[in-house]
Amino acid sequence: GGIITQTPKFLIGQEGQKLTLKCQQNFNHDTMYWYRQDSGKGLRLIYYSITENDLQKGDLSEGYDASREKKSSFSLTVTSAQKNEMAVFLCASSIDTSSYEQYFGPGTRLTVL
Amino acid sequence: QQQVRQSPQSLTVWEGETAILNCSYEDSTFDYFPWYHQFPGESPALLIAIRPVSNKKEDGRFTIFFNKREKKFSLHIADSQPGDSATYFCAASESNNRIFFGDGTQLVVKP
Repeated sequence: GGIITQTPKFLIGQEGQKLTLKCQQNFNHDTMYWYRQDSGKGLRLIYYSITENDLQKGDLSEGYDASREKKSSFSLTVTSAQKNEMAVFLCASSIDTSSYEQYFGPGTRLTVL
Repeated sequence: QQQVRQSPQSLTVWEGETAILNCSYEDSTFDYFPWYHQFPGESPALLIAIRPVSNKKEDGRFTIFFNKREKKFSLHIADSQPGDSATYFCAASESNNRIFFGDGTQLVVKP
């Protein structure tokens, strides 16, 4: 078995602030993902990475940067936090894109003041 | 253009009834169709999945029915239990490519 950890669990920032969310997995999975889930809504893909140092944009990449420096970790940066992006950010991983099952982390809840 | 559409947005059934959740997709090259469920305060988790080589997949009380010609698939939850109350997301993907999620169906099972 494995686990995905996300830090921090709760993140409070000021409007316009640069904020970084971190994700670690010990599944030894190749592919990692960042999703944003607004309250009561579905999952929107921000970025994904199919291997170390790879980055692929999702549907919601504007306003975000990502970094995959190690196979086990994937970071997401909110470049300038806005009040309308308060949401839960979910990290996920899968063996590869063809294996399909994604395992999700517990999420980081972002609040922007 | 939204690749995967779900209906209804919310569904309420009585305990013991069959809940039917529907999904449609755009891209005929998609070859993997999972359903994820998400309980309040938790993260999504894979429930059941199907590939288009078959038109039906069962796992206990959960069954996926797949119609390739109409590009539709559905999740049937037989003998629904209050513990099944959750948000259900359908999704679709193509080999070596990203997955597309629907917006979710919020299911409430009343005792």
